[in-house]
Amino acid sequence: DAGVTQSPTHLIKTRGQQVTLRCSPKSGHDTVSWYQQALGQGPQFIFQYYEEEERQRGNFPDRFSGHQFPNYSSELNVNALLLGDSALYLCASSLWAFYNSPLHFGNGTRLTVT
Amino acid sequence: GQQVMQIPQYQHVQEGEDFTTYCNSSTTLSNIQWYKQRPGGHPVFLIQLVKSGEVKKQKRLTFQFGEAKKNSSLHITATQTTDVGTYFCAGPLYTPGTQGGSEKLVFGKGTKLTVNP
Repeated sequence: DAGVTQSPTHLIKTRGQQVTLRCSPKSGHDTVSWYQQALGQGPQFIFQYYEEEERQRGNFPDRFSGHQFPNYSSELNVNALLLGDSALYLCASSLWAFYNSPLHFGNGTRLTVT
Repeated sequence: GQQVMQIPQYQHVQEGEDFTTYCNSSTTLSNIQWYKQRPGGHPVFLIQLVKSGEVKKQKRLTFQFGEAKKNSSLHITATQTTDVGTYFCAGPLYTPGTQGGSEKLVFGKGTKLTVNP
């Protein structure tokens, strides 16, 4: 039973560039949430996808966008990268039908913006 | 705004000592979840508390949910080096929107536990 998988594991980008991060949810899960975790901080909610639609969004600018595919996998896109976007990006999957069901996190993508 | 707060931010103990981290919400929570993140790892779900005053145990870990459902605690008895990591509480917080509100799981900043063998 595969858990949540994320790719790539590490990424180095330059300011102003664009980046796409990918996530495959745990088998049987239909909901994907993305979190940003800066060093020494708790995960900050970016947005959540279910049935290929963004269902909830945190306090992140429009530079952060996402997509969910019919197979429930998801992408996080960040445009016009800033130094402050350097962080660990975590994908978490869950089941929509189970209200407030626990999140299963992937290992994350470490993004460094120089 | 609505938030989840955790104290202390850091805790260093000698192996065998007890450890407690506290979590407080500015609003009543429908439930609270606890996660552990090992150094270099990702958050891993530990437990969910739903009922007012609920107490749950997992071996040396004891989780409590306050009567008012606005606070929670995690207590570890006789810490071991395997307990090292950051412990996060997370609660679903309501966010108003133009098309109705929604809840999102909001994490505290965590308590980083280090254990001296």
